[in-house]
Amino acid sequence: GQQVMQIPQYQHVQEGEDFTTYCNSSTTLSNIQWYKQRPGGHPVFLIQLVKSGEVKKQKRLTFQFGEAKKNSSLHITATQTTDVGTYFCAGSRRQLTFGSGTQLTVLP
Amino acid sequence: DVKVTQSSRYLVKRTGEKVFLECVQDMDHENMFWYRQDPGLGLRLIYFSYDVKMKEKGDIPEGYSVSREKKERFSLILESASTNQTSMYLCASSFPGGGYEQYFGPGTRLTVT
Repeated sequence: GQQVMQIPQYQHVQEGEDFTTYCNSSTTLSNIQWYKQRPGGHPVFLIQLVKSGEVKKQKRLTFQFGEAKKNSSLHITATQTTDVGTYFCAGSRRQLTFGSGTQLTVLP
Repeated sequence: DVKVTQSSRYLVKRTGEKVFLECVQDMDHENMFWYRQDPGLGLRLIYFSYDVKMKEKGDIPEGYSVSREKKERFSLILESASTNQTSMYLCASSFPGGGYEQYFGPGTRLTVT
């Protein structure tokens, strides 16, 4: 079946440093979604990418969808303590398959 | 605002008990999902439903069943709870099709002793 792999599993950064998480699918995706889960919370939708090579920005967050629609990345510029949480990608063909997530810790 | 509610935040059950986890959404979504979340494994799909009385197996359906008698309500049933079913259970809902965001409930942390 469809597999979505996400790396790294954990990332510790100093506040102000950049952060990137990568997502790779074993199959071509229709679209990819990104979610954020704060500690003790539930996943909350951030964004969806649909087109090959698409790049979207939300303030300090930049999302990319690969040309082959099999990989994606989330980059956070100048992390803040409010960025703490686990970031999940979720690839869609017929249904969503979630990656294992990257747990981000931001040290003040 | 979309609201997805789950019947319990924390639940402790004994091995062999039958366990019911309830989920209700108020946005008239056709799609509803049950996931379990374990450290390092992300969210794994147990069952999903695209319509009332309709259900499909996800990636890890063994040991679970579901019921959807009304559009807004989706129940997860553990027929005979086992310790390896100790986990966080998340319910989600969305509009139909694969291109819509999913809205998650707060989760139920189930411990089976």
